[in-house]
Amino acid sequence: DAKTTQPPSMDCAEGRAANLPCNHSTISGNEYVYWYRQIHSQGPQYIIHGLKNNETNEMASLIITEDRKSSTLILPHATLRDTAVYYCIVRVAGGTSYGKLTFGQGTILTVHP
Amino acid sequence: SQTIHQWPATLVQPVGSPLSLECTVEGTSNPNLYWYRQAAGRGLQLLFYSVGIGQISSEVPQNLSASRPQDRQFILSSKKLLLSDSGFYLCAWSRTRVTGELFFGEGSRLTVL
Repeated sequence: DAKTTQPPSMDCAEGRAANLPCNHSTISGNEYVYWYRQIHSQGPQYIIHGLKNNETNEMASLIITEDRKSSTLILPHATLRDTAVYYCIVRVAGGTSYGKLTFGQGTILTVHP
Repeated sequence: SQTIHQWPATLVQPVGSPLSLECTVEGTSNPNLYWYRQAAGRGLQLLFYSVGIGQISSEVPQNLSASRPQDRQFILSSKKLLLSDSGFYLCAWSRTRVTGELFFGEGSRLTVL
């Protein structure tokens, strides 16, 4: 799986958009970008994933650059409950990797009032 | 909708005692099942995964074992706990062919004294 690089921490004001960057310059053509988050003392939560087109769901939007070497997770209106560690993971969507997700250090997002 | 439950939520055990953590999934059939561990201040490590009843694959050699006696039941066990077995244990499931999208349980925090 391709390696990812994320800033160790970010701050965001409540109600504002949180934009979390991720670099994955060695991504392969069949690898997707996945985002998870982990709120303190809870299990990780799947947020969104994409291959090359921008994606949006009820939680967030994912913007992937045209060369696919970086992406940005956007929480459009951050709330205090969005304070968590956010993980960017690059891997194939299926195949024999069988759910082996390599969680790096992630970005600690702190949403403040 | 699908749900995943694991228990107990918290466990304090002496060194050398046995361990049994249980995980069940509802609302889906033939899921892939996983056990992850998160040691204090460290990332998540995949311990075991299962693609069907009685089929267990181990990712790392260790003092633990896993079993899948029923389609939606996954059990993590140890005959004799070590201090190094302390950590936050997470059960997760994925759809059969969509192995990048994992859904995690609430976690079980094990402290071995």
